[in-house]
Amino acid sequence: SQQGEEDPQALSIQEGENATMNCSYKTSINNLQWYRQNSGRGLVHLILIRSNEREKHSGRLRVTLDTSKKSSSLLITASRAADTASYFCATASIQGAQKLVFGQGTRLTINP
Amino acid sequence: IAGITQAPTSQILAAGRRMTLRCTQDMRHNAMYWYRQDLGLGLRLIHYSNTAGTTGKGEVPDGYSVSRANTDDFPLTLASAVPSQTSVYFCASSVLAGNTNTGELFFGEGSRLTVL
Repeated sequence: SQQGEEDPQALSIQEGENATMNCSYKTSINNLQWYRQNSGRGLVHLILIRSNEREKHSGRLRVTLDTSKKSSSLLITASRAADTASYFCATASIQGAQKLVFGQGTRLTINP
Repeated sequence: IAGITQAPTSQILAAGRRMTLRCTQDMRHNAMYWYRQDLGLGLRLIHYSNTAGTTGKGEVPDGYSVSRANTDDFPLTLASAVPSQTSVYFCASSVLAGNTNTGELFFGEGSRLTVL
């Protein structure tokens, strides 16, 4: 079964707006990662946040982690048309930390 | 450019045929993985290997086998393909520190397999 579940499944916004995607998971984790997938391509790593971290930034990306709620969010600020892609969260659980388990993804569309 | 190479990129296969998807990485990563991606189900782990000579089962291993004879190669074999194995298959690699995946996965571009 999937460890992570993304919300929403699809998101469509105007260029320049901020996009927020959420991820919930079930078991205790070692770390949580976010990936991006352009249509027809492989996944590309965006950012990793460890279980003892609460927030992390990388360029226009901001990730938060709330281990008490078993949830994470990915914020993309000042969105661009090129940000159109699917975004996945993936968790490395404490019990099986050598394997990443992916959620179903959020399909983000940025309208010019 | 260093990375992961998958082959073939696309294949149509008759049910019952044997098929091997190839995966090669040149980053000397110790861990490698095979995922399948299906609409509405996201990515699901088929098999993984923490180091050359060892393999393990993921979430959906039935009907698939893998081998890890060396660090660079991690082929995935469908012994007798069935239509439910129609999917996009992704190979990935990473560096394991001890028994923990503390870093990013590097993905190949995928192999689209259709079983008729």
